[in-house]
Amino acid sequence: DAGVIQSPRHEVTEMGQEVTLRCKPISGHNSLFWYRQTMMRGLELLIYFNNNVPIDDSGMPEDRFSAKMPNASFSTLKIQPSEPRDSAVYFCASSFHRVGSYEQYFGPGTRLTVT
Amino acid sequence: KQEVTQIPAALSVPEGENLVLNCSFTDSAIYNLQWFRQDPGKGLTSLLLIQSSQREQTSGRLNASLDKSSGRSTLYIAASQPGDSATYLCAVRQGGATNKLIFGTGTLLAVQP
Repeated sequence: DAGVIQSPRHEVTEMGQEVTLRCKPISGHNSLFWYRQTMMRGLELLIYFNNNVPIDDSGMPEDRFSAKMPNASFSTLKIQPSEPRDSAVYFCASSFHRVGSYEQYFGPGTRLTVT
Repeated sequence: KQEVTQIPAALSVPEGENLVLNCSFTDSAIYNLQWFRQDPGKGLTSLLLIQSSQREQTSGRLNASLDKSSGRSTLYIAASQPGDSATYLCAVRQGGATNKLIFGTGTLLAVQP
């Protein structure tokens, strides 16, 4: 398996622009997670999906952030409009949600820089 | 609210030493605890997962223990190598229906050749 795939790996954009991050989870996994990592706050969960349904979005910082999972093999995280404080590494992770096993597997991340 | 802390924040050891990384959590009602490794500019790699009913897990030179009642976990690395240099993160999954992981602050390990 190719693991969790994220694109783009790096994104540089200007303040006010829309940014879309993409994630393909491991085939067969039914849970998907979006995390943000910064030096100041460490790793924070933004939102997670079970069977394509958003379960907990309490970590989404504000209305400028939105996430979708139209099918089991694809998810997007959108920031509109972007701001410099959104600069961070955004990770996607997936797992197979069943009793006794919730090990999460992470993608390589997208490094976002908003100038 | 669950808080996860890792001590020390950074550690430097000579090659060949055995070492212990510490992880503590404030709410003992966890479902499991997972240790990750993160190399600079990379994603997280899962090392070990310990269920709440287990006391330890081993993989090669790595051994992770869990004392849920005291809110502590340790990651023991035997015969450290320069290739072990990375940031090590622990994360706990709360009990119940949630699938969320709460991450610790990480320990930056440098193994000197």
